[in-house]
Amino acid sequence: DVKVTQSSRYLVKRTGEKVFLECVQDMDHENMFWYRQDPGLGLRLIYFSYDVKMKEKGDIPEGYSVSREKKERFSLILESASTNQTSMYLCASSFITAGAYTDTQYFGPGTRLTVL
Amino acid sequence: QKEVEQNSGPLSVPEGAIASLNCTYSDRGSQSFFWYRQYSGKSPELIMSIYSNGDKEDGRFTAQLNKASQYVSLLIRDSQPSDSATYLCAVKATGGYNKLIFGAGTRLAVHP
Repeated sequence: DVKVTQSSRYLVKRTGEKVFLECVQDMDHENMFWYRQDPGLGLRLIYFSYDVKMKEKGDIPEGYSVSREKKERFSLILESASTNQTSMYLCASSFITAGAYTDTQYFGPGTRLTVL
Repeated sequence: QKEVEQNSGPLSVPEGAIASLNCTYSDRGSQSFFWYRQYSGKSPELIMSIYSNGDKEDGRFTAQLNKASQYVSLLIRDSQPSDSATYLCAVKATGGYNKLIFGAGTRLAVHP
């Protein structure tokens, strides 16, 4: 079974703090993704990575950065947390595929972040 | 902007009925399609993937794909209260990488 874990289920931070969200997968997946999910807006892609030290911006990268130093670990960093970053953050991973087809993404349990 | 559209619901069906969930997508080149189920407060879990036109059945679930109409659906037969959840449609984005574009989800409520 694929296992994707995230460092915290719930997190409360103050405006301006630097926040680290960690994600680890144990299936040797090349791809890793960070999403945020807000009511009525669905899942929105923040950043993704297809290899160690490689990263690509998603649809809403502003205010976030990422780090992938090891294949199994993908970190999301909020450089200076703001209240509009209060959300559910979901990490996912998948095998890399070429061409038109893509493999399933498997999700971690999510981190509910509240910024006060 | 490539889009995936779903009716937000709630779709309310009686126990034992067939629930029909629909999804349309704008990118004609898409080739990979997924249905995820998400219970309240939990993360999405994969139900079905479909890559070819036609139907794909797995237990009580059937995914239907019509690429010409850019339409994918999920049928749940013999709906159970435990099927009550939000169902997310996801489509692979064309243009490289393995990104998925998610719809906002349809909330399904199965009542006894």
